[in-house]
Amino acid sequence: GQNIDQPTEMTATEGAIVQINCTYQTSGFNGLFWYQQHAGEAPTFLSYNVLDGLEEKGRFSSFLSRSKGYSYLLLKELQMKDSASYLCAVRDSNYQLIWGAGTKLIIKP
Amino acid sequence: GAVVSQHPSRVICKSGTSVKIECRSLDFQATTMFWYRQFPKQSLMLMATSNEGSKATYEQGVEKDKFLINHASLTLSTLTVTSAHPEDSSFYICSAIDGQGESSPLHFGNGTRLTVT
Repeated sequence: GQNIDQPTEMTATEGAIVQINCTYQTSGFNGLFWYQQHAGEAPTFLSYNVLDGLEEKGRFSSFLSRSKGYSYLLLKELQMKDSASYLCAVRDSNYQLIWGAGTKLIIKP
Repeated sequence: GAVVSQHPSRVICKSGTSVKIECRSLDFQATTMFWYRQFPKQSLMLMATSNEGSKATYEQGVEKDKFLINHASLTLSTLTVTSAHPEDSSFYICSAIDGQGESSPLHFGNGTRLTVT
């Protein structure tokens, strides 16, 4: 079966750095997406990785290793507004998106 | 950027009634839209893929006669929850892809919180 694993919840301090990991086992791979979802709202797109390596976008970076079936989202200079759930999604060989359950990130002052 | 508009944002209805949710792509044409459902503290669950001008493709376990999907134009898809029951109470979110490239992400509407009493 297809599976995406993320930690259920993480806590970090304002101004610090946090890394949210995602491992996946899917039938084929056509890209990995990270989304941010605030409580009661729809997800918003953060990043896309299809090749190995690091993609940087301001305070957020995303890394991919296809051989390891592994990605992480790195958030720097954490702000209180970064408190949200972060969803990892992988597009499989049929171009279907497989979603992780999300990681709830709690930022403390 | 691509904008997907979803309406209504919240709806409360009585058991047995039907509710229609609209999803519009405002600044792009979407030949395909996706309908998701999300229960509290759970992941997104794909319900169906809506294709303009053809029948929707439903995921296993989703009743097509209960969740009617119509994608009549390149910018509008509707989901009708028929004969709603309290167990249908959930957060329903539509999404669409802007562009044809592999890196094109899904853009989501703001979601509709349905409460069936």
